[in-house]
Amino acid sequence: DTGVSQDPRHKITKRGQNVTFRCDPISEHNRLYWYRQTLGQGPEFLTYFQNEAQLEKSRLLSDRFSAERPKGSFSTLEIQRTEQGDSAMYLCASRHSPWSPLHFGNGTRLTVT
Amino acid sequence: KNEVEQSPQNLTAQEGEFITINCSYSVGISALHWLQQHPGGGIVSLFMLSSGKKKHGRLIATINIQEKHSSLHITASHPRDSAVYICAVRSQKKSSGDKLTFGTGTRLAVRP
Repeated sequence: DTGVSQDPRHKITKRGQNVTFRCDPISEHNRLYWYRQTLGQGPEFLTYFQNEAQLEKSRLLSDRFSAERPKGSFSTLEIQRTEQGDSAMYLCASRHSPWSPLHFGNGTRLTVT
Repeated sequence: KNEVEQSPQNLTAQEGEFITINCSYSVGISALHWLQQHPGGGIVSLFMLSSGKKKHGRLIATINIQEKHSSLHITASHPRDSAVYICAVRSQKKSSGDKLTFGTGTRLAVRP
C-alpha cells in the first residue's frame, strides 16, 4: 500500500493556461474523489468516480473543469483557461466502499498568476 | 448556515491538557468522519462513525445522532497533536450521493 499519490505537488500557471493534475489511488480502491480546498476552509466536493464511471459532479465544477478515470485506475483533473479564483489545493482521495475510511493524497497546490 | 459547524475555530492548549473539539450538523447522516490535516496539506482519516464512541490511542470520538453532534477528545495532548481537525458528514439522502460535506476545521496548537 503506497498510499494515494498526486502529481504535481505544486503548479504555478498564468491566467488563461490549461493545467492537468493526476491522482493515483490505492490500487484496490474503486472509489475516487476530487476535492478543492481554499485557505482557511474545509475541502469542497468536486466529483467522484466508481471505477471508470463519473457518478457525480458538483455545481462548483464549471465547464472549464473536466475529470476522467479512463481505466478505473488513475484519474486526471483538467482545468481549462485558468482563472485566479481557481487557485486552491486540489485533493484526491480514494476508498474501497462508502463504508470504509477515506485515504487522501498530499494534494496539488495550484497558483494562478 | 453551514451544514457542518465546528467549534472552536482555534484552540491553544498546554501540553498534557484534555482537549475537546465539537462538530454539529444539520442534516440526517449515515456517517461522520474526523480527519487531521497537517501544514502542507496532507489529510489523515482518524475516525469514521455512525453511532456511539470509538477510541484509538489518546483519541476518542463520540457521536449523538439525536442531537446531531459529535466530539473529538484528545487526552494527554502533545505538541505533535498540533494540526487542523476537520469534521465531515455523509448525508443520508440518496440525492447526496457518496460525497462528504466538510466543516471549516479547528486549528489546534499544543504548547510544550
